[in-house]
Amino acid sequence: EAGVVQSPRYKIIEKKQPVAFWCNPISGHNTLYWYLQNLGQGPELLIRYENEEAVDDSQLPKDRFSAERLKGVDSTLKIQPAELGDSAVYLCASSSTSGGSATQYFGPGTRLTVL
Amino acid sequence: GQQLNQSPQSMFIQEGEDVSMNCTSSSIFNTWLWYKQEPGEGPVLLIALYKAGELTSNGRLTAQFGITRKDSFLNISASIPSDVGIYFCRGQRAGNQFYFGTGTSLTVIP
Repeated sequence: EAGVVQSPRYKIIEKKQPVAFWCNPISGHNTLYWYLQNLGQGPELLIRYENEEAVDDSQLPKDRFSAERLKGVDSTLKIQPAELGDSAVYLCASSSTSGGSATQYFGPGTRLTVL
Repeated sequence: GQQLNQSPQSMFIQEGEDVSMNCTSSSIFNTWLWYKQEPGEGPVLLIALYKAGELTSNGRLTAQFGITRKDSFLNISASIPSDVGIYFCRGQRAGNQFYFGTGTSLTVIP
């Protein structure tokens, strides 16, 4: 079975440009997560989806970040405009449920560099 | 966002040695999880703990849920080169609130 797929794997952009990341979760997984991981740090949750509904977006900087999960499957995370401080790895994860015991499966991440 | 404290931050050990690391918090968690992350990959779940005092093993890995519910420990016995990576703890509490630790980077010298 395929794991969580993310693309692109790497992205280099200039500041003030827009950028988008795509995630395809494991088939059948209703819960999808986007994380931000800075160098030398653990992942920090940006947004959590239950099917197509964003149920926790409290840590998403809404002035420049947006996300969508149309039809409750694939998801896109967008930054517009990007800032230098947005350079990080953006991880997507999915799980079959949202409960505390649910195992989250992570994708390989998209490494963003903002120049 | 909140990050849990992990110690040590990094470790350099000889192959065959045992490894111990811990994760601490100022608040209580109901679930503790341990992940391993290799370069260019996302974290992979190693062990999950659901009850204070619980001791769980997965091969050469053993993790414990601290009795205060504010900490957790991970031990790796007889380390091998493929144990190299960054180990993260994750604490979870009611309301689906969860936080990752700052990570422990492990280097195993053959």
